[in-house]
Amino acid sequence: DADVTQTPRNRITKTGKRIMLECSQTKGHDRMYWYRQDPGLGLRLIYYSFDVKDINKGEISDGYSVSRQAQAKFSLSLESAIPNQTALYFCATSDDSGYSYNEQFFGPGTRLTVL
Amino acid sequence: AQSVAQPEDQVNVAEGNPLTVKCTYSVSGNPYLFWYVQYPNRGLQFLLKYITGDNLVKGSYGFEAEFNKSQTSFHLKKPSALVSDSALYFCAVRDRGAGNMLTFGGGTRLMVKP
Repeated sequence: DADVTQTPRNRITKTGKRIMLECSQTKGHDRMYWYRQDPGLGLRLIYYSFDVKDINKGEISDGYSVSRQAQAKFSLSLESAIPNQTALYFCATSDDSGYSYNEQFFGPGTRLTVL
Repeated sequence: AQSVAQPEDQVNVAEGNPLTVKCTYSVSGNPYLFWYVQYPNRGLQFLLKYITGDNLVKGSYGFEAEFNKSQTSFHLKKPSALVSDSALYFCAVRDRGAGNMLTFGGGTRLMVKP
């Protein structure tokens, strides 16, 4: 979805390096999410944010941190990258409340390789 | 805890034939159910969802899915497959309740051959 953009699209880094993945959206949604995709495992939630001041850990947050700089921006950081963090990372947004059921809109993904 | 199973890693079908991609789920309460599709080098795109009401839901690109509460299933179907339907398909579930996030299945690769 062109309304959700991710940078960079591809990144190769070395073990121990700090790396930041960025996500921006023009959909005006309050909720944003970071997922990683591994073959056969589907998508797993890393962190999610309901608004600028509300950030929550997901299923696999260890080794990651996030920053919600504005409603439209949500960044994911790997403080010290390790090879098993090699994956495809997706940002998503939704116009959602606690009891709602709206679909999520995904960015194009960032392919990260940690050597 | 909620979970989703997609028992087939890959489904092969000939163009023009009907297709089914299977999904079963587990939640403690009543589910919201979703199907997404991922084309190469693209993010996930929403196909359809079940919220309540009619067990047969229709979505984008001619796809439909049938909710079966007794079998806890939400299989994706299409009457006549196209080569362009070849992609990776994900089923996802969300338990109805505040704070519950989507849980995705492992994905099923659909290959439609001419």
